[in-house]
Amino acid sequence: DTEVTQTPKHLVMGMTNKKSLKCEQHMGHRAMYWYKQKAKKPPELMFVYSYEKLSINESVPSRFSPECPNSSLLNLHLHALQPEDSALYLCASSQESGVNYGYTFGSGTRLTVV
Amino acid sequence: QQQVKQSPQSLIVQKGGISIINCAYENTAFDYFPWYQQFPGKGPALLIAIRPDVSEKKEGRFTISFNKSAKQFSLHIMDSQPGDSATYFCAATFDNYGQNFVFGPGTRLSVLP
Repeated sequence: DTEVTQTPKHLVMGMTNKKSLKCEQHMGHRAMYWYKQKAKKPPELMFVYSYEKLSINESVPSRFSPECPNSSLLNLHLHALQPEDSALYLCASSQESGVNYGYTFGSGTRLTVV
Repeated sequence: QQQVKQSPQSLIVQKGGISIINCAYENTAFDYFPWYQQFPGKGPALLIAIRPDVSEKKEGRFTISFNKSAKQFSLHIMDSQPGDSATYFCAATFDNYGQNFVFGPGTRLSVLP
């Protein structure tokens, strides 16, 4: 299995809602990432998990809350989002050490905040 | 030091033509240079990648040329097809990890039929 699977593919939520994005990989990668991508821009790093521990938080607002229940799963919990948070949210994974083969990205969740 | 520059911002090519996208970097610690292809509404997909000990790598219609001394690398798409129309991101990294993975700003390629 060489894929990163993200669900849901599309999500529309109100500013008072709570929702979660899910990401799963079975490549044995021990580093997992959340990225946010706005239209016509490259992905921006939000969070990095290494061996299920949060290692990097790129000054992301607390309305985004990541969770890594195990080495294959990554969640992003959303609460009280703003319309400007509407974007494509990408999960990625990589080998945490050893030969560098870059990242494998999921197809993303298109989030619209209304 | 961590920036990767990419040009052009957009590119229009006729079917069958050659598409060329250029990238430049500053940090000589980078040791892996992937190119990602992204279609609208989809995540970036690894297209081809090169390491600095090689000057050229070819996979099908896609070729990376790498100039270590100039700190530049480029993607050539031969016999460009309408299905190649997408946004292309070059990237650079010197480990598998987080903040050391740097994307270029992207090139939007349109291949006209």
